[in-house]
Amino acid sequence: AQSVTQLDSQVPVFEEAPVELRCNYSSSVSVYLFWYVQYPNQGLQLLLKYLSGSTLVKGINGFEAEFNKSQTSFHLRKPSVHISDTAEYFCAVNTISGYSTLTFGKGTMLLVSP
Amino acid sequence: NAGVTQTPKFQVLKTGQSMTLQCAQDMNHNSMYWYRQDPGMGLRLIYYSASEGTTDKGEVPNGYNVSRLNKREFSLRLESAAPSQTSVYFCASSEVAGDEQFFGPGTRLTVL
Repeated sequence: AQSVTQLDSQVPVFEEAPVELRCNYSSSVSVYLFWYVQYPNQGLQLLLKYLSGSTLVKGINGFEAEFNKSQTSFHLRKPSVHISDTAEYFCAVNTISGYSTLTFGKGTMLLVSP
Repeated sequence: NAGVTQTPKFQVLKTGQSMTLQCAQDMNHNSMYWYRQDPGMGLRLIYYSASEGTTDKGEVPNGYNVSRLNKREFSLRLESAAPSQTSVYFCASSEVAGDEQFFGPGTRLTVL
C-alpha cells in the first residue's frame, strides 16, 4: 500500500520569504510523485511531477521539488513567495507498477502575508 | 479545449432529495474520478472509472452511484441526499489510470 503525509496543515510566511512544504510518502516500490495547487474556490492544477531522471524538478510559478529516495520525501520549495501564492497545496503518489488511482495527502495551506 | 467541465456549480438540496452531478472531459482520457473535499479531510475518492465500461468504489462510496455514460462523461448520483453529503465535489480525468489527473472547477453542494 502507499500513503502520503503532509506534515504541516498550515504554513504562514511573509511575502518574499522562502518556503518549504513537506511531503513524505510510504511505498516499498518505485514511485511517481506530484504536487498540485488549489487556489480559493477553484479546482486543483498540477504544479510539477517526478516520474524519473533528475531528482530536482522545476514546476510552474517558480516552484521546485526534490525527490529524496532515502528519506522518502518530495518537499516543495520556493525561494521567494508572493501574496498570490496563498493557496492549498497537495502532494500525491502512485507506484510505477501502477495503482488505478493517485493517493493524495491532506493538504498544506500556505498563507502569505505582507 | 475546455478540459474538465462540471455542472452545476452550486446546488442546494433538502434531505431526501436526489440529484445527479455531471462531468465531461474533452481530452480523450480513458480514466475519470469523483472526489469530495471537506475541511481538514483533504480529497477523498468516491468512485472512479479506469476505462469506459468499468467503475470501482473508492474510499467513501456509500450513498453515491456513478455512471460512465461514454468515454467523455462520468456522472455522480445522490439517490437520497443527507446533510453529511454537504461538500465540494470534484471530477478529474487522466489519460490512463494512476497517471497525472486534470480537475474540474467543482460543485458546491449543500444539503439542508
